[in-house]
Amino acid sequence: EAGVTQFPSHSVIEKGQTVTLRCDPISGHDNLYWYRRVMGKEIKFLLHFVKESKQDESGMPNNRFLAERTGGTYSTLKVQPAELEDSGVYFCASSPSLRQAFNTEAFFGQGTRLTVV
Amino acid sequence: AQSVTQLGSHVSVSEGALVLLRCNYSSSVPPYLFWYVQYPNQGLQLLLKYTSAATLVKGINGFEAEFKKSETSFHLTKPSAHMSDAAEYFCAVTFSSGSARQLTFGSGTQLTVLP
Repeated sequence: EAGVTQFPSHSVIEKGQTVTLRCDPISGHDNLYWYRRVMGKEIKFLLHFVKESKQDESGMPNNRFLAERTGGTYSTLKVQPAELEDSGVYFCASSPSLRQAFNTEAFFGQGTRLTVV
Repeated sequence: AQSVTQLGSHVSVSEGALVLLRCNYSSSVPPYLFWYVQYPNQGLQLLLKYTSAATLVKGINGFEAEFKKSETSFHLTKPSAHMSDAAEYFCAVTFSSGSARQLTFGSGTQLTVLP
Protein backbone atom coordinates (compact mmCIF):
# COMPACT_ATOMS: atom_id res chain seq x y z
CA GLU A 1 0.00 0.00 0.00
CA ALA A 2 1.38 3.39 -0.97
CA GLY A 3 2.07 5.86 1.79
CA VAL A 4 1.43 9.57 1.81
CA THR A 5 3.17 11.13 -1.16
CA GLN A 6 4.06 14.75 -1.67
CA PHE A 7 5.14 16.65 -4.75
CA PRO A 8 7.54 18.22 -5.37
CA SER A 9 10.15 17.18 -2.87
CA HIS A 10 11.96 20.47 -3.27
CA SER A 11 10.95 23.82 -4.71
CA VAL A 12 12.95 27.00 -5.04
CA ILE A 13 11.02 30.06 -6.13
CA GLU A 14 11.47 33.78 -6.13
CA LYS A 15 9.64 36.09 -3.82
CA GLY A 16 6.33 37.05 -5.35
CA GLN A 17 5.91 33.90 -7.37
CA THR A 18 3.26 31.25 -6.87
CA VAL A 19 3.90 27.69 -5.77
CA THR A 20 1.51 24.78 -5.47
CA LEU A 21 2.29 21.81 -3.29
CA ARG A 22 0.45 18.56 -3.71
CA CYS A 23 -0.33 15.77 -1.27
CA ASP A 24 -1.75 12.35 -2.07
CA PRO A 25 -2.97 10.73 1.14
CA ILE A 26 -3.24 7.04 1.82
CA SER A 27 -6.21 5.69 -0.09
CA GLY A 28 -9.36 5.64 2.02
CA HIS A 29 -8.14 8.11 4.62
CA ASP A 30 -10.77 10.75 5.29
CA ASN A 31 -8.49 12.98 7.31
CA LEU A 32 -5.78 15.03 5.70
CA TYR A 33 -3.55 17.49 7.53
CA TRP A 34 -1.00 20.07 6.47
CA TYR A 35 1.86 21.06 8.75
CA ARG A 36 4.83 23.33 8.30
CA ARG A 37 8.24 23.50 9.87
CA VAL A 38 10.10 26.73 9.55
CA MET A 39 13.83 26.23 9.99
CA GLY A 40 14.86 25.71 13.57
CA LYS A 41 11.35 25.76 14.92
CA GLU A 42 8.68 23.24 15.75
CA ILE A 43 6.34 21.59 13.30
CA LYS A 44 3.12 23.58 13.29
CA PHE A 45 -0.36 22.63 12.26
CA LEU A 46 -1.82 24.49 9.30
CA LEU A 47 -5.15 22.87 8.55
CA HIS A 48 -7.26 19.73 8.62
CA PHE A 49 -9.59 18.32 5.98
CA VAL A 50 -12.26 15.74 6.58
CA LYS A 51 -12.90 14.40 3.13
CA GLU A 52 -13.30 17.54 1.00
CA SER A 53 -14.33 19.86 3.84
CA LYS A 54 -12.04 22.07 5.86
CA GLN A 55 -12.49 20.99 9.45
CA ASP A 56 -10.00 23.37 10.98
CA GLU A 57 -7.86 25.97 9.25
CA SER A 58 -6.85 27.86 12.34
CA GLY A 59 -3.16 27.38 11.64
CA MET A 60 -3.10 28.96 8.19
CA PRO A 61 -0.73 31.93 8.43
CA ASN A 62 -2.60 34.37 6.20
CA ASN A 63 -4.71 34.65 3.08
CA ARG A 64 -1.75 34.03 0.80
CA PHE A 65 -2.21 30.37 1.58
CA LEU A 66 -5.03 28.44 -0.05
CA ALA A 67 -5.67 24.76 0.50
CA GLU A 68 -8.05 22.58 -1.42
CA ARG A 69 -8.95 18.94 -1.43
CA THR A 70 -10.60 17.88 -4.63
CA GLY A 71 -13.27 15.23 -4.21
CA GLY A 72 -11.84 14.24 -0.88
CA THR A 73 -8.77 12.71 -2.50
CA TYR A 74 -5.55 14.63 -3.07
CA SER A 75 -4.94 18.06 -1.67
CA THR A 76 -3.08 21.12 -2.87
CA LEU A 77 -1.60 23.98 -0.92
CA LYS A 78 -1.01 27.12 -2.92
CA VAL A 79 1.10 30.01 -1.76
CA GLN A 80 0.48 33.19 -3.72
CA PRO A 81 2.46 35.38 -3.67
CA ALA A 82 5.28 33.69 -1.82
CA GLU A 83 7.30 35.61 0.73
CA LEU A 84 10.70 34.86 2.22
CA GLU A 85 9.19 33.78 5.54
CA ASP A 86 7.21 31.05 3.79
CA SER A 87 10.38 29.00 3.42
CA GLY A 88 10.30 25.74 5.30
CA VAL A 89 9.28 22.13 5.05
CA TYR A 90 5.62 21.46 4.42
CA PHE A 91 4.36 18.12 5.63
CA CYS A 92 1.16 16.39 4.74
CA ALA A 93 -0.37 13.65 6.86
CA SER A 94 -3.44 11.46 6.63
CA SER A 95 -5.36 9.24 8.99
CA PRO A 96 -8.40 7.00 8.87
CA SER A 97 -11.90 8.04 9.77
CA LEU A 98 -12.34 9.36 13.28
CA ARG A 99 -15.30 7.03 13.70
CA GLN A 100 -12.84 4.17 13.90
CA ALA A 101 -10.42 5.43 16.49
CA PHE A 102 -9.70 8.91 17.70
CA ASN A 103 -6.16 8.06 18.63
CA THR A 104 -5.22 6.51 15.35
CA GLU A 105 -1.93 7.96 14.38
CA ALA A 106 -1.39 10.11 11.36
CA PHE A 107 0.90 8.92 8.59
CA PHE A 108 3.23 11.56 7.24
CA GLY A 109 4.67 12.22 3.85
CA GLN A 110 8.30 13.07 3.22
CA GLY A 111 7.57 16.76 3.04
CA THR A 112 8.18 19.46 0.48
CA ARG A 113 11.12 21.72 1.16
CA LEU A 114 10.17 25.19 -0.06
CA THR A 115 12.79 27.86 -0.42
CA VAL A 116 11.76 31.38 -1.30
CA VAL A 117 14.63 33.56 -2.47
CA ALA B 1 -3.60 25.81 25.55
CA GLN B 2 -1.65 22.65 24.96
CA SER B 3 2.10 22.56 24.57
CA VAL B 4 5.00 20.17 24.34
CA THR B 5 8.52 20.83 25.51
CA GLN B 6 11.50 18.79 24.43
CA LEU B 7 14.54 19.46 26.57
CA GLY B 8 17.71 19.51 24.55
CA SER B 9 17.67 20.33 20.88
CA HIS B 10 20.79 18.20 20.40
CA VAL B 11 21.74 15.03 22.25
CA SER B 12 24.91 13.02 21.66
CA VAL B 13 25.47 9.51 22.95
CA SER B 14 28.08 6.88 22.32
CA GLU B 15 27.14 3.73 20.48
CA GLY B 16 25.87 1.22 23.02
CA ALA B 17 24.96 3.86 25.57
CA LEU B 18 21.51 4.66 26.92
CA VAL B 19 19.39 7.03 24.90
CA LEU B 20 17.12 9.37 26.86
CA LEU B 21 15.13 12.03 25.08
CA ARG B 22 12.92 14.19 27.25
CA CYS B 23 9.39 15.34 26.58
CA ASN B 24 7.03 17.22 28.85
CA TYR B 25 3.54 18.32 27.99
CA SER B 26 0.98 20.65 29.45
CA SER B 27 -2.68 19.85 29.27
CA SER B 28 -5.86 20.17 31.25
CA VAL B 29 -7.36 17.07 29.67
CA PRO B 30 -5.99 13.55 29.16
CA PRO B 31 -3.47 13.56 26.36
CA TYR B 32 -2.58 11.13 23.63
CA LEU B 33 1.16 11.20 23.15
CA PHE B 34 3.38 10.22 20.27
CA TRP B 35 7.02 10.02 19.36
CA TYR B 36 7.95 10.44 15.72
CA VAL B 37 11.36 10.07 14.12
CA GLN B 38 12.70 11.67 10.99
CA TYR B 39 15.71 10.04 9.39
CA PRO B 40 17.72 12.11 6.93
CA ASN B 41 15.83 12.76 3.71
CA GLN B 42 12.78 10.89 4.92
CA GLY B 43 9.37 11.73 6.30
CA LEU B 44 8.13 11.46 9.86
CA GLN B 45 7.73 7.90 11.06
CA LEU B 46 5.79 6.88 14.14
CA LEU B 47 7.97 5.29 16.82
CA LEU B 48 5.32 4.72 19.46
CA LYS B 49 2.17 6.15 20.97
CA TYR B 50 0.42 6.36 24.32
CA THR B 51 -3.35 5.99 24.19
CA SER B 52 -4.38 5.71 27.84
CA ALA B 53 -3.75 1.98 28.10
CA ALA B 54 -0.43 0.80 29.51
CA THR B 55 1.77 3.62 30.75
CA LEU B 56 4.92 1.93 29.47
CA VAL B 57 4.77 1.86 25.72
CA LYS B 58 7.06 -0.13 23.50
CA GLY B 59 7.76 0.98 19.99
CA ILE B 60 9.81 0.06 16.99
CA ASN B 61 13.59 -0.32 16.88
CA GLY B 62 13.86 -1.01 20.61
CA PHE B 63 12.50 2.32 21.79
CA GLU B 64 10.08 2.73 24.64
CA ALA B 65 8.48 5.56 26.55
CA GLU B 66 6.75 5.88 29.87
CA PHE B 67 3.78 8.11 30.50
CA LYS B 68 4.01 9.74 33.92
CA LYS B 69 0.95 11.80 34.67
CA SER B 70 2.33 13.22 37.91
CA GLU B 71 5.35 14.56 36.05
CA THR B 72 3.48 15.36 32.81
CA SER B 73 6.27 13.57 31.01
CA PHE B 74 6.67 11.08 28.19
CA HIS B 75 10.40 10.50 27.90
CA LEU B 76 11.79 8.28 25.17
CA THR B 77 14.45 5.72 25.99
CA LYS B 78 16.50 3.01 24.36
CA PRO B 79 18.91 0.87 26.37
CA SER B 80 21.66 0.73 23.75
CA ALA B 81 22.13 3.22 20.96
CA HIS B 82 22.97 2.14 17.43
CA MET B 83 24.53 4.26 14.75
CA SER B 84 21.31 3.88 12.77
CA ASP B 85 19.41 5.72 15.51
CA ALA B 86 20.92 9.02 14.45
CA ALA B 87 17.92 11.12 13.47
CA GLU B 88 15.64 13.87 14.68
CA TYR B 89 12.98 12.90 17.18
CA PHE B 90 9.72 14.69 17.78
CA CYS B 91 7.33 14.39 20.68
CA ALA B 92 3.73 15.25 19.85
CA VAL B 93 0.41 15.42 21.63
CA THR B 94 -3.24 15.50 20.81
CA PHE B 95 -6.18 15.61 23.16
CA SER B 96 -9.46 13.98 23.71
CA SER B 97 -11.45 17.10 22.95
CA GLY B 98 -13.74 16.44 20.03
CA SER B 99 -12.59 19.46 18.12
CA ALA B 100 -8.85 19.08 18.67
CA ARG B 101 -7.51 16.54 16.25
CA GLN B 102 -4.28 18.12 15.18
CA LEU B 103 -0.92 17.25 16.66
CA THR B 104 1.08 19.74 18.67
CA PHE B 105 4.77 19.06 18.29
CA GLY B 106 7.79 19.77 20.36
CA SER B 107 10.72 21.50 18.71
CA GLY B 108 12.57 18.26 18.06
CA THR B 109 15.75 16.67 19.36
CA GLN B 110 18.59 15.82 17.03
CA LEU B 111 20.25 12.61 18.20
CA THR B 112 23.86 12.00 17.27
CA VAL B 113 25.39 8.60 17.93
CA LEU B 114 29.16 8.60 18.30
CA PRO B 115 31.23 5.55 17.37
